[in-house]
Amino acid sequence: AQKVTQAQTEISVVEKEDVTLDCVYETRDTTYYLFWYKQPPSGELVFLIRRNSFDEQNEISGRYSWNFQKSTSSFNFTITASQVVDSAVYFCALSEAWGSGANSKLTFGKGITLSVRP
Amino acid sequence: NAGVTQTPEFQVLKTGQSMTLQCAQDMNHEYMSWYRQDPGMGLRLIHYSVGAGITDQGEVPNGYNVSRSTTEDFPLRLLSAAPSQTSVYFCASSIQQGIYEQYFGPGTRLTVT
Repeated sequence: AQKVTQAQTEISVVEKEDVTLDCVYETRDTTYYLFWYKQPPSGELVFLIRRNSFDEQNEISGRYSWNFQKSTSSFNFTITASQVVDSAVYFCALSEAWGSGANSKLTFGKGITLSVRP
Repeated sequence: NAGVTQTPEFQVLKTGQSMTLQCAQDMNHEYMSWYRQDPGMGLRLIHYSVGAGITDQGEVPNGYNVSRSTTEDFPLRLLSAAPSQTSVYFCASSIQQGIYEQYFGPGTRLTVT
C-alpha cells in the first residue's frame, strides 16, 4: 500500500530564512507521481508541483525548489528566503499510475504547518 | 472558467439529518473525487468517479453516498449525519486519475451537533 510520511508537523522560521519540508513515501510500484499542495490560512488547496518517478531532476521555481531522490524515497521541498505569505500547511501526496482503480488514488501526508514570522 | 465550485460553504446539521453537498466543475474533467480533512489527519478520500455513471469507494466511504449522472456534477450525500462527520469537505477534479494534478474546490465546512 502506498504511504506518505511528513514527519515534521510544525515548523516556525523567521522571515528570510531558508526552510526545507520533508516528504518520504512508500510504494511498490515503479511508476508513480508525487505532488506538493499548499493550503494557506484561507483554506483552499493550491497545486504546486507534480513529478513522475522517471524524472529525478530537481526543479526550481523562483524561491521554491524540490529535491526528488528515489534512492531515499524522498521528495523534499525547500523555500529560500521565506516570506510571511509562505505561511501555510503544505501537503505532499503520492499516486501510483498502475491501472485506473483505487491503486491510482492520491494519498496525502498529514501536512506540515509552516509559520513564517516577520 | 469557474473551476471547481462547492456549495454550501458552511453547514450545521443535527445528528440524524441528511443533506447533499454539491460539487460542479466546468473543465470537462473525467475524474472527480471527494475528500474530508480533519485536524492532524491530512486529506482522506471518501469516494471518487472516473466518469459519468462510474463511482467507487475511497478510504473512508461509510455514511456517504455519491452518484455521477453528468461529467460536471458530483454530489456527496450524507445519509444520517453523525458528529464524527464534522469536517471540512473538499471536492476535486482532474484530467486523469492519479497522473495529473487535482484541482480543488473551496471546501464545505460541516458541523454536526
